[in-house]
Amino acid sequence: KAGVTQTPRYLIKTRGQQVTLSCSPISGHRSVSWYQQTPGQGLQFLFEYFSETQRNKGNFPGRFSGRQFSNSRSEMNVSTLELGDSALYLCASKDSTPDTQYFGPGTRLTVL
Amino acid sequence: GENVEQHPSTLSVQEGDSAVIKCTYSDSASNYFPWYKQELGKGPQLIIDIRSNVGEKKDQRIAVTLNKTAKHFSLHITETQPEDSAVYFCAASKTDKLIFGTGTRLQVFP
Repeated sequence: KAGVTQTPRYLIKTRGQQVTLSCSPISGHRSVSWYQQTPGQGLQFLFEYFSETQRNKGNFPGRFSGRQFSNSRSEMNVSTLELGDSALYLCASKDSTPDTQYFGPGTRLTVL
Repeated sequence: GENVEQHPSTLSVQEGDSAVIKCTYSDSASNYFPWYKQELGKGPQLIIDIRSNVGEKKDQRIAVTLNKTAKHFSLHITETQPEDSAVYFCAASKTDKLIFGTGTRLQVFP
């Protein structure tokens, strides 16, 4: 099976703009989670979607939002970008096996 | 809140030696403990995981041990090879939300 794919792989934005990142899970996986990775804060959970519904949420401001489509593909949106939003954004998908998550390569977002 | 501490932050070993990375978690309700390997420019790759009803699990050169009473779990890599060089992350979970440790940069010298 193909792995988790994320697009785009690299993105440069300026402060105040908004951005949308996309994630396609492994075929058959219905759960998609998003994580932010930075040198200072490490890997932090953003949110999880299952069957188009947000099932779990981390401690991030409302500028971070997401959605999931009927084909399990997911998008993450960040509005009013700040310099501190520069990070590697990782998507992980999960099958029916409890908890086992498989990560994509990430989208590297740079905010100038 | 939920927290996972990971030590050491860097680890250098000679090829063929063993490497041990240790993690401690705070939430006693955590029941799933995966380990991920992250190479430069790539996403984390699951290398082994253990659930709270098991004390030890082994997969070739990699093993993980879990002490629920002490809330400790450890990754053991034997016969290290240069391709084992990467950053390793432990994580703990109870509800599909992974709480990650801060990572260990492992360098294996030939």
